[in-house]
Amino acid sequence: DTGVSQNPRHKITKRGQNVTFRCDPISEHNRLYWYRQTLGQGPEFLTYFQNEAQLEKSRLLSDRFSAERPKGSFSTLEIQRTEQGDSAMYLCASSSGGNTEAFFGQGTRLTVV
Amino acid sequence: AQRVTQPEKLLSVFKGAPVELKCNYSYSGSPELFWYVQYSRQRLQLLLRHISRESIKGFTADLNKGETSFHLKKPFAQEEDSAMYYCALKRQAGTALIFGKGTTLSVSS
Repeated sequence: DTGVSQNPRHKITKRGQNVTFRCDPISEHNRLYWYRQTLGQGPEFLTYFQNEAQLEKSRLLSDRFSAERPKGSFSTLEIQRTEQGDSAMYLCASSSGGNTEAFFGQGTRLTVV
Repeated sequence: AQRVTQPEKLLSVFKGAPVELKCNYSYSGSPELFWYVQYSRQRLQLLLRHISRESIKGFTADLNKGETSFHLKKPFAQEEDSAMYYCALKRQAGTALIFGKGTTLSVSS
């Protein structure tokens, strides 16, 4: 599968623990987006990168959340001191330019217990 | 604030019936509008975008700036159209998509 890849697919963690998710975009794509999706809602934008630069962050991205894309290829999303409200599907998408289609990964489902 | 509204959570139709999934948006500029679809156990994928003005899998959508709507239509629904459909808005090139809450389309025989 040469599409957007996300790992892990599922993560169960205890409240207060830190978690990190990884996204590997389609190789030639310079833009990478993170979204969060909770039950009954559409995906909500968290942050996006153009190459290694983080260009925009949503107000949803609290201080406990941090995202990186160190070499302009894969990206990581870390959540520190997880809370039950962080339980959601975390989606990654990539695109090759401003007006082109965004391709989505399968997502990482986080459950905080 | 930019917002996308999909008023129906669920739309159930019979095979062969016409389908219209509603989408209204709120944005003061000239947005780009999309419809994304998610079939069962598959990833979210683009169905169509307003600038393409094309028909995909029999679906069409016309941007109505006066009514700020981008409804998705298909004249004859098929069972394989059953999926979750999301309307989305992009403010300008390169920015992130703003999604509606989605509508589940269920087509039965």
